[in-house]
Amino acid sequence: GENVEQHPSTLSVQEGDSAVIKCTYSDSASNYFPWYKQELGKRPQLIIDIRSNVGEKKDQRIAVTLNKTAKHFSLHITETQPEDSAVYFCAASWTGTASKLTFGTGTRLQVTL
Amino acid sequence: NAGVTQTPKFQVLKTGQSMTLQCAQDMNHNSMYWYRQDPGMGLRLIYYSASEGTTDKGEVPNGYNVSRLNKREFSLRLESAAPSQTSVYFCASSGPYYEQYFGPGTRLTVT
Repeated sequence: GENVEQHPSTLSVQEGDSAVIKCTYSDSASNYFPWYKQELGKRPQLIIDIRSNVGEKKDQRIAVTLNKTAKHFSLHITETQPEDSAVYFCAASWTGTASKLTFGTGTRLQVTL
Repeated sequence: NAGVTQTPKFQVLKTGQSMTLQCAQDMNHNSMYWYRQDPGMGLRLIYYSASEGTTDKGEVPNGYNVSRLNKREFSLRLESAAPSQTSVYFCASSGPYYEQYFGPGTRLTVT
């Protein structure tokens, strides 16, 4: 089955700096890569996703890149703000009849003033 | 729209007791999922239902059963709870573009 590794497990940045979280996956058939943000005690919320026919996608301060050859994808957050502090999860799946996500173990991002 | 809803929010069980976690979605999604979240382990798929009338095992199905009652509802049953099933359980649904939306979660403690 699919295996997703995520690094780093914790990340501390100063407000205004950039943050980068990296994930690798094992199954070359995976074609859908979402990122979720989870605040303490809350549900995971989808913040951005990318499909295997695209190399990069941006949404305001958030961007995701995908390298299919190397089987890794990354989340980039620019101009970080205190409200970006949360746990971020990457995931991968092959979208057949359903999207069975395999999650990474999460990155706790802390944005300090 | 309420999105994905789950009941109950919290539950404490004794070892050997049974219970059913309920999930409903009002987004007309075909696919629904149950995950468990344990500290340091991310979310792991227990069971999923690609469409009404079908269910399949995920990564960690042992000790659980599911029922896709109709297109809106997908329940998860623990027949004989064990302390190892102490976790936070999330239900999710996905539409035609595969984005998954999660419910608020059920925090289950088995003593």
